[in-house]
Amino acid sequence: EEQLVESGGGLVQPGGSLRLSCAASGFTISRNYMSWVRQAPGEGLQWVSVIYSGGDTDYAASVKGRFTISRDTSKDTVFLQMNNVRTEDTAIYFCARVTGPWLAEYYFDLWGKGTLVTVAS
Amino acid sequence: SRVLTQPPSMSVAPGETATIACGGNNDGSKSVHWYRQKPGQAPVLVIYYDSDRPSGIPERISGSKSGNTATLTISRVEAGDEADYYCQVWETSGVVFGGGTRLTVL
Repeated sequence: EEQLVESGGGLVQPGGSLRLSCAASGFTISRNYMSWVRQAPGEGLQWVSVIYSGGDTDYAASVKGRFTISRDTSKDTVFLQMNNVRTEDTAIYFCARVTGPWLAEYYFDLWGKGTLVTVAS
Repeated sequence: SRVLTQPPSMSVAPGETATIACGGNNDGSKSVHWYRQKPGQAPVLVIYYDSDRPSGIPERISGSKSGNTATLTISRVEAGDEADYYCQVWETSGVVFGGGTRLTVL
């Protein structure tokens, strides 16, 4: 069974750092594009970042320069390093697999259950 | 950047049809995808490429697109359809989600 399991969430102070992990099972991340999507309390979905199969990355403007997506293909794990966090980064962070033949067609076909990040002093 | 507009909420009686629109300031060339999210759960893909259904999604859930407006239709609504629904497109600048529509089954 294909599955994504996130971990690493918790309470962090403004300006601090946190590293989220997403462990994949049932498929190989090196052959897939992987992404992070977040959801602030009571709010909608917001895309955060993507890492393509070749290793290229992309970010939402709100996190660019502060967050870094990476992966360990030997462990089928994707990471999100969150630096200089702000209170508005408080959200559930979902890991998701991307699929589609080209960019204009990409969508998320598999989601993890998410991990909660709370930024507060 | 693109904005996808959805009605914030709608209510439908069991057995009736729910129609959720997703309007965007685009030319309609991008595929639109839909997700269902129940309280406390992760989103689940229900429609991709405007109108295709993943395995396991019932035929009474369908999608369509005309011009720059995509529509999710849920026929013969059941109590289990109560959830938030989001549309999504992928732009060269990144991913855009609609604001979401909360469907309440009366």
